[in-house]
Amino acid sequence: GNSVTQMEGPVTLSEEAFLTINCTYTATGYPSLFWYVQYPGEGLQLLLKATKADDKGSNKGFEATYRKETTSFHLEKGSVQVSDSAVYFCAFMDTGRRALTFGSGTRLQVQP
Amino acid sequence: DTAVSQTPKYLVTQMGNDKSIKCEQNLGHDTMYWYKQDSKKFLKIMFSYNNKELIINETVPNRFSPKSPDKAHLNLHINSLELGDSAVYFCASSHEGNTEAFFGQGTRLTVV
Repeated sequence: GNSVTQMEGPVTLSEEAFLTINCTYTATGYPSLFWYVQYPGEGLQLLLKATKADDKGSNKGFEATYRKETTSFHLEKGSVQVSDSAVYFCAFMDTGRRALTFGSGTRLQVQP
Repeated sequence: DTAVSQTPKYLVTQMGNDKSIKCEQNLGHDTMYWYKQDSKKFLKIMFSYNNKELIINETVPNRFSPKSPDKAHLNLHINSLELGDSAVYFCASSHEGNTEAFFGQGTRLTVV
């Protein structure tokens, strides 16, 4: 069935380190892909998205590229900050069900 | 103006009680959702409505009943609350069910 697999956390980094959070998906067709972020005690916010193959989504220094051949959408940031500490969710829009399917979330902890 | 608002933010109640969570969106979207986030942060779709019509009804106990009085509102009523219902419940909305979803701040339900 349709699913999203993302790396388990927590991921602990020092400030200004490079971040990669891996995400792969299993879905029918070519769905839109998303990264959402959840800061402590808050709801989910859309971080970035990509709607077709080879698209690159970017926001707040984060980037992810829609790789059709590897069914992946890895999240990257060149230099993380303490304020980036949050839980990051990879998701795709299941066009058949018309709802988002989420990965299990990856907690990022950035230390000063 | 809050795009997707849900109330209450916190709800503590005893087993066996009946409670409701309300959700409203002012984005003009035609699709609304309820997601459940468990203690491990895993997000799972419960229901979705499109133009007040039920589209998705996952394997959720029938003690949970969504109600959509109009396109801008989707409420969640829960009967005979159980300890296992303790979770954070998120309301969300999207346009035509095929674009990114916007989430409310969540309702943390604690059943004691």
